[in-house]
Amino acid sequence: DIQMTQSPSSLSASVGDRVTITCRASQGFSNYLAWYQQKPGKIPKLLIYDVSTLQSGVPSRFSGSGSGTDFTLTISSLQPEDVATYYCQKYNSAPLTFGGGTKVEIK
Amino acid sequence: QVQLVESGGGVVQPGRSLRLSCAASGFTFSNYAMHWVRQTPGKGLEWVALTSYDGSNRDYVDSVKGRFTISRDNSNNTLHLQMNGLRTEDTAIYYCVRVRSLIGESPGDYWGQGTLVTVSS
Repeated sequence: DIQMTQSPSSLSASVGDRVTITCRASQGFSNYLAWYQQKPGKIPKLLIYDVSTLQSGVPSRFSGSGSGTDFTLTISSLQPEDVATYYCQKYNSAPLTFGGGTKVEIK
Repeated sequence: QVQLVESGGGVVQPGRSLRLSCAASGFTFSNYAMHWVRQTPGKGLEWVALTSYDGSNRDYVDSVKGRFTISRDNSNNTLHLQMNGLRTEDTAIYYCVRVRSLIGESPGDYWGQGTLVTVSS
């Protein structure tokens, strides 16, 4: 089974900073990679699917990229409302494994 | 609007069974695959099971294979998760998740609020 490793596990950045979160797969696969945002005490929310397609209603400061084994979620200008834990998930085939999560805080 | 409401969680002893249900509304249930995803309080997400739109394709994470069964009743817009042989490590919040397509291998775009399952003696 493919394992998904996110880095860093947590980060602290200032409002307006560019933030990058990485998700690395133990084996390469096609572009079936999603990113979710889970705010404290809330349910997860789909941000991006198919590596780079923004889910409806998601702010354009969020973007996704990558291929093969390395994928990235970028927040171009961090906002206070972006404080959350972010998860990647591969869905090319079962098991549809999630990464371990990256907790984003404001400095 | 899309609504997913889970029920059936609770406290259960190791080795016992529990059946979770998810009542879906606000969309054509039979047109979408569904997942169950769980989360240990304070920890990360773990995908548990999927079913295609018609129930013909189902799959599970290895740790629950042979113990859990996902099923759906398209006439009643309901998703189920039958959990047998429960273990303490199955303790988690269980989320019902609508998937973006007919097939299960797709991301979840709507999540229920979750139901807590606690396995403890």
